[in-house]
Parts: sequence; C-alpha cells; structure tokens
Amino acid sequence: GEDVEQSLFLSVREGDSSVINCTYTDSSSTYLYWYKQEPGAGLQLLTYIFSNMDMKQDQRLTVLLNKKDKHLSLRIADTQTGDSAIYFCAERRNNFNKFYFGSGTKLNVKP
Amino acid sequence: ETGVTQSPTHLIKTRGQQVTLRCSSQSGHNTVSWYQQALGQGPQFIFQYYREEENGRGNFPPRFSGLQFPNYSSELNVNALELDDSALYLCASSSVDAVLYGYTFGSGTRLTVV
Repeated sequence: GEDVEQSLFLSVREGDSSVINCTYTDSSSTYLYWYKQEPGAGLQLLTYIFSNMDMKQDQRLTVLLNKKDKHLSLRIADTQTGDSAIYFCAERRNNFNKFYFGSGTKLNVKP
Repeated sequence: ETGVTQSPTHLIKTRGQQVTLRCSSQSGHNTVSWYQQALGQGPQFIFQYYREEENGRGNFPPRFSGLQFPNYSSELNVNALELDDSALYLCASSSVDAVLYGYTFGSGTRLTVV
C-alpha cells in the first residue's frame, strides 16, 4: 500500500495479548480500519476508528490511534488459535472511498 | 456470509489473452471497487464505480477496465495479460454508509497468468 506500513510477522502464545502496529503518513485520513484475511478468503472488516477518536474497544479488540505520530494499533486480548490470520490496516483518505492498505501482519498463534 | 460473490474463484490464462472477472454485490450497494492483491502484499486500488460510472482510478493502465450494471453486478476486464497480473482480485461493494462500515469484500478471484 501507499505509505501504510506494518510489521510482517507476529507470533504469540494462545491466551496472550497480541498488538499489531501500523503507521500511516496522510494526516488528512479521516477513517482507519482493521481487516482480517484468512487463507484463501477475502477481507473481513474487524473494526474502524474515526480520526477524532483516541481509542475504541470492541469485545476482545482495542484500537488505539495516535494521530500526532500517525500510529494505529490493534490489540487482541486472550488471543486464540482462530485469530491466526493476516491483519491489514487501511486508511480512507478524503478522496471518495479509496482505501490504502498496508502489506499486512501475519499473526501466528501457538497453542 | 459476505453478500458479495465473485466468479470464477480460480482462473489460469496465457500471457496476451483477455480476461473478465465478475462480481455480484448486495442489493442497494451502489458503489463497487476492485482491488488487486499480489502475493504477500496488501490490496491495491484499481478503480471504483458509482451508479455505473467510473469515479476513481488507481495507478493501473487502461488495459484494466470495468463495468457496473443496474442489477448491482460488475465486471473487471483485463486485456493483453502480463505475467505480473497474476494476483488475487477482490471486489468490494458498499452503500453510502461505507464511511462507517467500510467495504464488504468478496472472497476474490485468483488469476494466474502463464
């Protein structure tokens, strides 16, 4: 993706928390999203956050946004083996509904 | 159930050929976007259609073209296929609430160009 960066891999043990990080460069981005992609599947929207928010919690998921540093993170509490997938952050900039995706972070959850 | 159906799921074509990929969106989703996802990469925006008109395009050459139909279906056409066109092609549709809920993605068509 254009200027959206993520680390490539993350490995955690089942039951631990996972934190997936993302940085973006366009300060005009209004909405930021986290998508999950399982092998052979399309993208599943997990959660989103508006640029005027700092945090959003949705069950086991917590999104933190540091707009000053253009840093977005996704925390998954009590990570399960079923959470193993590739996670993409995406930003929606002001021009219509075009999304810019990062290259994805592959989360591996060990039993 | 995503509500967005793509066909075919897999396709093998020869370099230089033409291909048409199809997408069927949810009723009421008047915006459809197409993305190309190369292996190990995030999706890259190809173009978007709104009410049957193209209203945005990414950095893809003109041999990538599309159509959107009144029945919420759409097509992605690629002419003169190149080896680098091998990728997963994702269709994503939305209603006017896309800003809140993001897009609904299909499972994609895996295109292999040999």
